[in-house]
Amino acid sequence: AQTVTQSQPEMSVQEAETVTLSCTYDTSESDYYLFWYKQPPSRQMILVIRQEAYKQQNATENRFSVNFQKAAKSFSLKISDSQLGDAAMYFCAYSIPGGGADGLTFGKGTHLIIQP
Amino acid sequence: NAGVMQNPRHLVRRRGQEARLRCSPMKGHSHVYWYRQLPEEGLKFMVYLQKENIIDESGMPKERFSAEFPKEGPSILRIQQVVRGDSAAYFCASSPTGTGNTIYFGEGSWLTVV
Repeated sequence: AQTVTQSQPEMSVQEAETVTLSCTYDTSESDYYLFWYKQPPSRQMILVIRQEAYKQQNATENRFSVNFQKAAKSFSLKISDSQLGDAAMYFCAYSIPGGGADGLTFGKGTHLIIQP
Repeated sequence: NAGVMQNPRHLVRRRGQEARLRCSPMKGHSHVYWYRQLPEEGLKFMVYLQKENIIDESGMPKERFSAEFPKEGPSILRIQQVVRGDSAAYFCASSPTGTGNTIYFGEGSWLTVV
């Protein structure tokens, strides 16, 4: 079974600084997808960024980028120029093609605090 | 294009009652997923449905829980004889296909069992 581990229950960063959230996963598959979702206090799940395992290039979305290390099964999220609105729970998730068979597998989340 | 719509957003039930949660997927999406989020936990997969078919219900408790996605109308997650441990946020998500497409989440339905 696939597992996703987020080893940082909570992280804190000063506004405008950079923070990196860690995620590791365990899988025997060679083709899969990785995601970071953000859950603000409103509790809605918002997709932040997505990475296909077959792509070597790290995904980037504005201030959000990932460091995908396939051999190490690591998928960290870097948030640059942190803003107060970035404060939320961040969940790392994994899926395989035809992903409905098990849906998404989520980590337990990292609570990100932004210090003004 | 409206997002995934869930209702009710908040539902309070007494122990032993039934809870029905509804989910309308995004327009053009024929795949629906239900997830449960317990307090201080990540989301856990429950069930994956296409129109009129349950594709995978491996994450759903064997008793009291059922799900459907009829040809017409929203997907329904039904919990019979609720217990306090059923109190959680239930998220619905949809995707256009099941083949690795990104899935989009609704805003969740919060069930409180008193």
